[in-house]
Amino acid sequence: DTEVTQTPKHLVMGMTNKKSLKCEQHMGHRAMYWYKQKAKKPPELMFVYSYEKLSINESVPSRFSPECPNSSLLNLHLHALQPEDSALYLCASSQPPRVTTNTGELFFGEGSRLTVL
Amino acid sequence: AQSVAQPEDQVNVAEGNPLTVKCTYSVSGNPYLFWYVQYPNRGLQFLLKYITGDNLVKGSYGFEAEFNKSQTSFHLKKPSALVSDSALYFCAVRDMGSSASKIIFGSGTRLSIRP
Repeated sequence: DTEVTQTPKHLVMGMTNKKSLKCEQHMGHRAMYWYKQKAKKPPELMFVYSYEKLSINESVPSRFSPECPNSSLLNLHLHALQPEDSALYLCASSQPPRVTTNTGELFFGEGSRLTVL
Repeated sequence: AQSVAQPEDQVNVAEGNPLTVKCTYSVSGNPYLFWYVQYPNRGLQFLLKYITGDNLVKGSYGFEAEFNKSQTSFHLKKPSALVSDSALYFCAVRDMGSSASKIIFGSGTRLSIRP
């Protein structure tokens, strides 16, 4: 069982809708990530939060808006998406680098399968 | 810049035979290397990692990987394959000297184990 929980598991939305993906972890990790994964491709990094502050934005379009309300929660707000944004969105957590308890690996949730019509 | 390459899109192995999934890497500093497995419509599961120390790393489900610094490789191995090992495998590298905390994934290798 994963310790990173993502909701919803499936989401279908129109191009004018506003929706959100949610991620929660209770491992005490202080870095959280959003990845986008197309079928049979590797995950592509979108955003990294470290100590609740956005540390990496991989030039993601503004129709994707991340939010980290506290150290356990990570949201991805979606607005005016395009059909090509349909993908599996993966959340992950870890300790940030240079933390003595950091063993380096990411812990992934099961993902949210997004379909944009 | 760091990168990781998986030269094989697919590896086919008969059940009971040994398997190897190849990975090579490039980093400027000391690498942290990882293998993940992904089953259909699931998230990525951590298998094993190399940080320092013994070049042969043992992980979950009987998998192991050998770190070779001179060849910049980190190949995943298993002595006897199971049909249930069929999945998509990703090698990944993380530059722990960077504050950016990026982890970079290879393109993935689909492992197919035939009964």
